[in-house]
Amino acid sequence: GNSVTQMEGPVTLSEEAFLTINCTYTATGYPSLFWYVQYPGEGLQLLLKATKADDKGSNKGFEATYRKETTSFHLEKGSVQVSDSAVYFCALSDRATNKLIFGTGTLLAVQP
Amino acid sequence: GAGVSQSPSNKVTEKGKDVELRCDPISGHTALYWYRQSLGQGLEFLIYFQGNSAPDKSGLPSDRFSAERTGGSVSTLTIQRTQQEDSAVYLCASSYLEGYEQYFGPGTRLTVT
Repeated sequence: GNSVTQMEGPVTLSEEAFLTINCTYTATGYPSLFWYVQYPGEGLQLLLKATKADDKGSNKGFEATYRKETTSFHLEKGSVQVSDSAVYFCALSDRATNKLIFGTGTLLAVQP
Repeated sequence: GAGVSQSPSNKVTEKGKDVELRCDPISGHTALYWYRQSLGQGLEFLIYFQGNSAPDKSGLPSDRFSAERTGGSVSTLTIQRTQQEDSAVYLCASSYLEGYEQYFGPGTRLTVT
């Protein structure tokens, strides 16, 4: 079945450091891919998405590229801020069922 | 405009009691989804509605769980005879059409004592 695997956290970085959170997926067909973010005490928010191979999603300085050949959708940001501290979830949406399948989440802690 | 709202925000109940959780989707959104977030299982899909029908109930963990949606809008998730393993945050999401971006509500934190 469909599944998402993302790197375990917590990830602790200093402000202005480069961020990579790895995400790989297993799916039949061509799913859409997403990164969701959950800030402390808040609900899930869509951070970025990509709907087909080689698409790059971007938002708030974060980027991720849909790589079909490596079945990956790694999240990157060139310079993190303390305000980026949150839990990040990689997810796929199966085109047939529309439900989101999430990875386990990665806690990011950015220190000043 | 208003986002997805859920009530109650917190619910504490005794084992064996029934609970109802409510979700108000964004106005005009035809698709509605329920998920569960728990420490042991992460984020799990429960059920999906398109209009008032539920084409995918595959994530409901047992027959103690049921959900309905009326008027293509509000949805209620009911858990009968609650167990401690039902303790989790129950999230609702809606989207304009199936396959479109899903917007999440703040969740209902359920604690079964």
